[in-house]
Amino acid sequence: TQLLEQSPQFLSIQEGENLTVYCNSSSVFSSLQWYRQEPGEGPVLLVTVVTGGEVKKLKRLTFQFGDARKDSSLHITAAQPGDTGLYLCAGAHYGQNFVFGPGTRLSVLP
Amino acid sequence: DSGVTQTPKHLITATGQRVTLRCSPRSGDLSVYWYQQSLDQGLQFLIQYYNGEERAKGNILERFSAQQFPDLHSELNLSSLELGDSALYFCASRAGEGPYEQYFGPGTRLTVT
Repeated sequence: TQLLEQSPQFLSIQEGENLTVYCNSSSVFSSLQWYRQEPGEGPVLLVTVVTGGEVKKLKRLTFQFGDARKDSSLHITAAQPGDTGLYLCAGAHYGQNFVFGPGTRLSVLP
Repeated sequence: DSGVTQTPKHLITATGQRVTLRCSPRSGDLSVYWYQQSLDQGLQFLIQYYNGEERAKGNILERFSAQQFPDLHSELNLSSLELGDSALYFCASRAGEGPYEQYFGPGTRLTVT
């Protein structure tokens, strides 16, 4: 069984602060995705990373895939209330299905 | 808008009943995935279909079944419903089985009373 852990489980910060959330596994993944989900809605894909050490930026969000492709981080700069949501990571092996982590629930207070 | 559609948006039914949830994948996507999301268990993979054939099963109960039709839409059938089946059910689609990205529909919220 491939397990993905995410930390922290909950995070509440003030608008303008920076934050980093983590996704860790003992398994090596061929690709890893990050999603944001708002209450009652489907997860929305933010980014896919496939190469060890890869860094991708999406406006104020920076995603990094670990060199060994077992872990990933999401860094948000100058968080805004619109960043509030559940952040999910999901890892996949070649030809296998995605395994989802439990998520980090982020609340950005104005 | 991910391009994945799901109907109905909300469903309220009684214990013991049977319901069918419908999913239309993004145009051209061959793989369809079903997930269950409840407050205490997160997003759980149920079953995957690829071009009409079942490809993988996750934590799907025997009371649940699914199929993918020739036009690639999929249905998830839930029978003998129990209170614990109340959850959000998501469908996701993917172009194929390689390193393709997965896109989620808006979900169906099932409430069993």
